[in-house]
Amino acid sequence: DQQVKQNSPSLSVQEGRISILNCDYTNSMFDYFLWYKKYPAEGPTFLISISSIKDKNEDGRFTVFLNKSAKHLSLHIVPSQPGDSAVYFCAASADSGNTPLVFGKGTRLSVIA
Amino acid sequence: EAGVTQFPSHSVIEKGQTVTLRCDPISGHDNLYWYRRVMGKEIKFLLHFVKESKQDESGMPNNRFLAERTGGTYSTLKVQPAELEDSGVYFCASSPLGHLATDTQYFGPGTRLTVL
Repeated sequence: DQQVKQNSPSLSVQEGRISILNCDYTNSMFDYFLWYKKYPAEGPTFLISISSIKDKNEDGRFTVFLNKSAKHLSLHIVPSQPGDSAVYFCAASADSGNTPLVFGKGTRLSVIA
Repeated sequence: EAGVTQFPSHSVIEKGQTVTLRCDPISGHDNLYWYRRVMGKEIKFLLHFVKESKQDESGMPNNRFLAERTGGTYSTLKVQPAELEDSGVYFCASSPLGHLATDTQYFGPGTRLTVL
């Protein structure tokens, strides 16, 4: 049973617009959440994270929002750029990050120029 | 500084054969993780080393998989005998000890294993 779900396998957005990638989780023990970005033939690269004590974390064009009551998080990319085209994985961990990462299946983002 | 490296990048073997994957973590990183992604599915945790000790191997699928990290440096993951369902991309990641392991896990490029 999947504990981290990314229900949209793909997303297409025009350059300059906002990209919103969604992620849901089921395990209430998760208290640390991350987004990884992956280009073809490369390993995942850490993008941004958020602890369950926060509801928002921002880093440049990337913002992650956490809604604990809904067990939902989202990644916003504004403005979207063609170089953002990649697969984005949502991941979660319990015990303040000291347990193994649990990943979603990923969402393929295509930013169209 | 060199990143996490993995060898080989691709491996094609027949069912029943043995394959050994290698991971060289970033120098000085005591945490080493193995993950696997089966096509179209999520990246799944296999096991975690702290130095040469297995900290958590709860994700290892079965006893056909053997991971080692002799001397606490590079690690190998052996699959013997390989089955069709073992096909996928095997990622290795490393992180320094003493930090929040999750936000500093650096991933290698992966080894794509195909079992025919």
